[in-house]
Amino acid sequence: DIQMTQSPSTLSASVGDRVTITCRASQSIGTWLAWYQQSPGKDPKVLIYKASSLRSGVPPRFSGSGSGTEFTLTISSLQPDDSATYYCQQYDAYRAFGPGTKVEIK
Amino acid sequence: EVQLVESGGSLVQPGGSLRLSCATSGFTFSNYVMNWVRQAPGKGLEWVSVISASGDTTYYADSVRGRFTISRDNSKNTLHLQMNSLRAEDTAIYYCAQDPTSGDFMYWGQGTLVTVSS
Repeated sequence: DIQMTQSPSTLSASVGDRVTITCRASQSIGTWLAWYQQSPGKDPKVLIYKASSLRSGVPPRFSGSGSGTEFTLTISSLQPDDSATYYCQQYDAYRAFGPGTKVEIK
Repeated sequence: EVQLVESGGSLVQPGGSLRLSCATSGFTFSNYVMNWVRQAPGKGLEWVSVISASGDTTYYADSVRGRFTISRDNSKNTLHLQMNSLRAEDTAIYYCAQDPTSGDFMYWGQGTLVTVSS
């Protein structure tokens, strides 16, 4: 089975900062990767699919990149509403989520 | 409006069974691959199972294979998860979700809570 890892597990940044989260797959998954945001007490929300396609309605400060085994989610200018846990998910073979990255606002 | 509404979650004893349902509307259900995803209290998201649009292909996470069965009724726009031999570690919110292969058209339900405890 494909294993997913994320780094860092937690990050703290200030409003306006550029934030990058990395997701790695244990084997190549092409671009079959999605990113989700889960705010405290809320249901997961889809941000990105196919590694870099921004879902309709998601603010353009979010972007995704990568292929193969290494992927990144970037928030270009961190906003207070972005305080959440972010998960990557591969959907190349079966499905699997990464362990999550908690983003805190300083 | 797209809606996915889970039901069937409850308190059940270890070793017991439960059947979850996800009633959908607002889209052509039979065209979409569907998943069950769960989240234990205070933990991350865990993929549980996926079923093809026609229902003829299913896959399961190692943690539930042999105990859970995913199915769908395309005539009733409904997804199901039959859960047998439940364990304490199955305690979680269970979400039904359209598959990421849906692309931009990807929606999740609000979840139903399953608690396995004596």
